[in-house]
Amino acid sequence: LAKTTQPISMDSYEGQEVNITCSHNNIATNDYITWYQQFPSQGPRFIIQGYKTKVTNEVASLFIPADRKSSTLSLPRVSLSDTAVYYCLVVDAGNMLTFGGGTRLMVKP
Amino acid sequence: NAGVTQTPKFQVLKTGQSMTLQCAQDMNHNSMYWYRQDPGMGLRLIYYSASEGTTDKGEVPNGYNVSRLNKREFSLRLESAAPSQTSVYFCASSATLGSDTQYFGPGTRLTVL
Repeated sequence: LAKTTQPISMDSYEGQEVNITCSHNNIATNDYITWYQQFPSQGPRFIIQGYKTKVTNEVASLFIPADRKSSTLSLPRVSLSDTAVYYCLVVDAGNMLTFGGGTRLMVKP
Repeated sequence: NAGVTQTPKFQVLKTGQSMTLQCAQDMNHNSMYWYRQDPGMGLRLIYYSASEGTTDKGEVPNGYNVSRLNKREFSLRLESAAPSQTSVYFCASSATLGSDTQYFGPGTRLTVL
């Protein structure tokens, strides 16, 4: 299995940019790296996905270096409603889907 | 369009009892998954089905069985429940296997006494 490592928790204030990094070794060379958001008592929800370099959508950016051993989710100008747990998901070299342990983001007013 | 639905939402079992968790999707997805999420932890893959008629073990398959009944439905069975299986169970589906976007159900909260 790929070993995926994320910070357990992060605090931020409204309006700040938040960067959450996931370290992952031994991942498949041809699959995307995906990030999900989870609120309490709900299933995870897709945020963004990328393969290399930088991807941006209406809610986040994702930075992936050339060696693909990590990925960084960037949330611009967070609000209170961004308080949630964020997970990276990778496919390891054995084609097994592996979620990171999750990063609990607390946004304060 | 309901997406992914799961039943039941909550269940309490005694050790040794059996039960089946049901999951259905209406997005015409080929691949379906079962995960468990222990309190304060990430999700771990129990079983998955790449397409109708196929199932494969994930990271933590022991104590579980699955059935891909048809393209829409994927059930998870606990034959003899144990307290270690107390968890929240999520079903998900995606168009294809791998890193394709997964859509998750609301979860089933299972307690085994």
